[in-house]
Amino acid sequence: EVQLVESGGGLVQPGRSLRLSCAASGFTFDDYAMHWVRQAPGKGLEWVSGISWNSGSVGYADSVKGRFTISRDSAKNSLYLQMNSLRAEDTALYYCAKDIRSGWSQEFDYWGQGTLVTVSS
Amino acid sequence: SSELTQDPAVSVALGQTVRITCQGDSLRSYYASWYQQKPGQAPVLVIFGKNSRPSGIPDRFSGSSSGNTASLTITGAQAEDEADYYCNSRDSSGNPHVVFGGGTKLTVL
Repeated sequence: EVQLVESGGGLVQPGRSLRLSCAASGFTFDDYAMHWVRQAPGKGLEWVSGISWNSGSVGYADSVKGRFTISRDSAKNSLYLQMNSLRAEDTALYYCAKDIRSGWSQEFDYWGQGTLVTVSS
Repeated sequence: SSELTQDPAVSVALGQTVRITCQGDSLRSYYASWYQQKPGQAPVLVIFGKNSRPSGIPDRFSGSSSGNTASLTITGAQAEDEADYYCNSRDSSGNPHVVFGGGTKLTVL
């Protein structure tokens, strides 16, 4: 059974940093691209970042480019999102999602339950 | 970057057919994927590619595309289909970038 479990969310002050983690199991982690998608309270889905199977290709939404960094660790079957210079508008539930392909696609077949990030003073 | 436009809300009578649309320039080059999200739950992939369904998704869900418009059709809508539906696609520039539509709230009457 595929499982994606996010962690690392919490309350953080504007301008501070936070690192999200996503522990993957039930599939060969190295074979698939992975993504972060967020959802602000009461709002729609927003793609944040994605990384190919071998970390050779990464991408970021314009809203987070230069502040967020995505990475993955095959030894730990984990995906990460380092978030720096956080802003109030980054407040959201952050989902980890598995791509159906090794490279890039927009097809996310499994999602975690999300971890909540609240940016407030 | 690209944008995808969806109607904010659509309603359908129980057992009838409903089409939810998604418009954007990137859809001329890439297929849309469709996700169902119920309150308090993570999104679920319902349609991907030309018209493929993941295992476990009922065959009343189907997808199609024409020009810059992708459509999700539910044939014989059920009460449990009431949810938010989102489309997404690759950015038309070809860069590693994904965009979501704003979502459509489906009400089953």
